Amino acid sequence: EADIYQTPRYLVIGTGKKITLECSQTMGHDKMYWYQQDPGMELHLIHYSYGVNSTEKGDLSSESTVSRIRTEHFPLTLESARPSHTSQYLCASGIHGEQYFGPGTRLTVT
Amino acid sequence: QKEVEQNSGPLSVPEGAIASLNCTYSDRGSQSFFWYRQYSGKSPELIMFIYSNGDKEDGRFTAQLNKASQYVSLLIRDSQPSDSATYLCAVSLGDMRFGAGTRLTVKP
Repeated sequence: EADIYQTPRYLVIGTGKKITLECSQTMGHDKMYWYQQDPGMELHLIHYSYGVNSTEKGDLSSESTVSRIRTEHFPLTLESARPSHTSQYLCASGIHGEQYFGPGTRLTVT
Repeated sequence: QKEVEQNSGPLSVPEGAIASLNCTYSDRGSQSFFWYRQYSGKSPELIMFIYSNGDKEDGRFTAQLNKASQYVSLLIRDSQPSDSATYLCAVSLGDMRFGAGTRLTVKP
């Protein structure tokens, strides 16, 4: 079982604020991912990284950025939060094809 | 056509029955196949992976892969109410692509 952590677990923030969602893993996994998922809906890939200083955009990345300065850390930043960003954000990591998910951050933008 | 397709369900089976979950994928070059279980309000949890044609068994779970038909399935034997969840099929060819999931309900 992977140890992958996300903070905060819940966040309520006003429109226009800049927010950073934290994700850390202790497994030494090279690959890390960010997904967005609304309740009862499918996962959408936002960003991914295959190693330090490597980041790629997924299907839903236009309003967020990520960085990968350390293997274990993969933060996601929204420069200006909007109500449309209200969702569950899931971080995952893995070595090969498999992915292990963190507990998620539930974001509400008012 | 979606890259990974699953019947959204809900699929309802009685306790003790076999639940059969199906998934098709579009990219013939896909190499790795995964099944995740997601309880309501929780994160997906990896339960099975399969790389080669045929069956792979792990306890009550069996994954089946047919690359010629681009089809992967998950069988859950002796289904329990605790198996009630959404099951996500995922296919990897470099990137991982998830299906929308099938909601399974096991009735006592």
